[in-house]
Amino acid sequence: QVQLVQSGAEVKKPGASVRVSCKASGYTFTGHYIHWVRQAPGQGLEWMGWINPNSGATNYAQTFQGRVTLTTDTSISTAHLEILSLRSDDTAVYYCARGKRDTYNLFVGSLDYWGQGTLVTVSS
Amino acid sequence: DIQMTQFPPTLSASVGDRVTITCRASQSIDSWLAWYQQKPGKVPKLLIYKASNLESGVPSRFSGSGSGTEWTLTINSLQPDDFAMYYCQKNQSWGVLTFGGGTKVEMK
Repeated sequence: QVQLVQSGAEVKKPGASVRVSCKASGYTFTGHYIHWVRQAPGQGLEWMGWINPNSGATNYAQTFQGRVTLTTDTSISTAHLEILSLRSDDTAVYYCARGKRDTYNLFVGSLDYWGQGTLVTVSS
Repeated sequence: DIQMTQFPPTLSASVGDRVTITCRASQSIDSWLAWYQQKPGKVPKLLIYKASNLESGVPSRFSGSGSGTEWTLTINSLQPDDFAMYYCQKNQSWGVLTFGGGTKVEMK
């Protein structure tokens, strides 16, 4: 079965960086984009960007450009999210999610499997 | 960028009710719209993709429809398990995703 398993919770100081991992299993890792979505405490969902594990191509939400880097290691079917210069308002649960493809292998604009989430707390 | 406004922010309903949640786009959009359910402390769950397609395993009481700027999620005969937050999500060009602000369906 498809699974996305994320790394554990992190506590960081303002200005530091953090790296969150997302290990995929149960499907061909290079066949689906990986998206990252975050959710601040008590708030809604915010899309951060995607990475194509097959090519390494990325696309970031404007809010995060220059401060967020998405990478993958296809040898271990793992995606990574790195956030630089953390601020207190980066405190959130960070999710990785798989882009859904239809029977024609086309992206249908939605996310069908999600990781369990990683809480990143930024506090001095 | 296209903005997605979801309403109502909170909806009070009873078991057995028919519930409708609306997502309004700032401009006419195509059918690249999805709906998710999220319970407290849990991961979002895909319910509907491409506006009206039911995700595998999702009960048939959930349905999606709409056109232009107005898109709706309907829950027929609300069940106890359906009290949750619901989010719409638009896919724009180049796979850029935008979520609505969410609707909390609570018990009346």
